[in-house]
Amino acid sequence: GEEVAQTPKHLVRGEGQKAKLYCAPIKGHSYVFWYQQVLKNEFKFLISFQNENVFDETGMPKERFSAKCLPNSPCSLEIQATKLEDSAVYFCASSVDRGPATNEKLFFGSGTQLSVL
Amino acid sequence: ILNVEQSPQSLHVQEGDSTNFTCSFPSSNFYALHWYRWETAKSPEALFVMTLNGDEKKKGRISATLNTKEGYSYLYIKGSQPEDSATYLCAFIDYGGSQGNLIFGKGTKLSVKP
Repeated sequence: GEEVAQTPKHLVRGEGQKAKLYCAPIKGHSYVFWYQQVLKNEFKFLISFQNENVFDETGMPKERFSAKCLPNSPCSLEIQATKLEDSAVYFCASSVDRGPATNEKLFFGSGTQLSVL
Repeated sequence: ILNVEQSPQSLHVQEGDSTNFTCSFPSSNFYALHWYRWETAKSPEALFVMTLNGDEKKKGRISATLNTKEGYSYLYIKGSQPEDSATYLCAFIDYGGSQGNLIFGKGTKLSVKP
């Protein structure tokens, strides 16, 4: 597709439940990035992929968070046993080639609003 | 810890006013600076990617400048229109530990009154 598609737009979970978010990057884009925006704060980098391989996961919380980008499937971000502080908007972005390291702009999805009650 | 600061946090102007805001970033190991425009509930949209000290970029009524030696970038909007109302995000990349990932500021929220 011509835009980054994120689903669902809104997700409500009770504390302790699992949450799974999906992202379909623009066709032909090699890099996928996940960002977390808590309240009105800055976008916090979580993880990036080069095709199906993890490129950088330095922003991922060690526990409960995992992500995958499998061939011919949307990328996913999964949170096991959600906590109240996981409530945030999760943005996915993709870029054509090597992403920001080559001065390429990112194309963002419109985000998934996760509310943990 | 790398920090990107944006000021002001929010700005209210009248239609037709020109305005500008600032993005400050670490001046050492600079690689690139991005500006994005973000309307709530929509996707952030890239405005500019700037890499060279002294760079000036323009897109319609919006322009940006870059000073890598002192670590700041200005975004200018000439003759603001209500449709310019959005949050303007800047993001920085360094050569070093950020692995080429974008480090975002908190944004400047612009409201343009008709």
